[in-house]
Amino acid sequence: SAVISQKPSRDICQRGTSLTIQCQVDSQVTMMFWYRQQPGQSLTLIATANQGSEATYESGFVIDKFPISRPNLTFSTLTVSNMSPEDSSIYLCSALPGSYNEQFFGPGTRLTVL
Amino acid sequence: GQQLNQSPQSMFIQEGEDVSMNCTSSSIFNTWLWYKQDPGEGPVLLIALYKAGELTSNGRLTAQFGITRKDSFLNISASIPSDVGIYFCAGHQGGSEKLVFGKGTKLTVNP
Repeated sequence: SAVISQKPSRDICQRGTSLTIQCQVDSQVTMMFWYRQQPGQSLTLIATANQGSEATYESGFVIDKFPISRPNLTFSTLTVSNMSPEDSSIYLCSALPGSYNEQFFGPGTRLTVL
Repeated sequence: GQQLNQSPQSMFIQEGEDVSMNCTSSSIFNTWLWYKQDPGEGPVLLIALYKAGELTSNGRLTAQFGITRKDSFLNISASIPSDVGIYFCAGHQGGSEKLVFGKGTKLTVNP
C-alpha cells in the first residue's frame, strides 16, 4: 500500500489566481495520477504524472490550465491556473505502488474559487 | 470514454441489514476495485479483484469479479452506522493503468 498526503487540504481562492497542490507519497511508486471530483460526482482523471517527462492529459484537460510536475518517484504537484468558479472542486492525487493495479488516494484538496 | 454503470445510486437501510451493490460494463475489465469514500476524505480501497469468478472477502465485505469480466458486485453484511458513505466501483481495461470509475452508491444506515 501507500500513504499519501496532500497540501493544502482546502483553500479559497480568487478568480484569476493560481493554486499549486502538492502530493507526497511515503514510498517510491511507479505511477501517480491527478483526479477532479466535483460535488456529488464521481472521479474524473485529469492526467498521469510521469516522472522525468511531461504529464499525459485526458481529453478535456490541457497543460496550460493544469500544469503538473513530478520531479521524483514520491512527489508531484498540480497547479490550477487562472482559476474560475467552475474550477471549484476536490482535487485528488493517487499512486500506483507496484504491479497489482491497486491505486491509493490522498485525502484530497477542496478548492473553492470566488 | 468507457463508463461503468453502478447501481443502485443510493440506499437507505436499517442497521443490521445486508447490502448489495453492483457495477456493469459493456466491455471487459481486467481488474475490479471497490472503494469507500467518507465525507471530506479520499477514496479508500476496500477490495481488489483480479480474476474472473474471484470471490474475495474483507471482514463483513465480500466482492466478486463476474465470470463474463463485465461486472462485479459488493455485499456488506450486518451493516453498522460506520458503513455510511459513498461506495465506488472502478476497473482497469486492457494494459491501461488508468482507472474507470462508476458513479457511486450512497449508503445511509439508520441506527
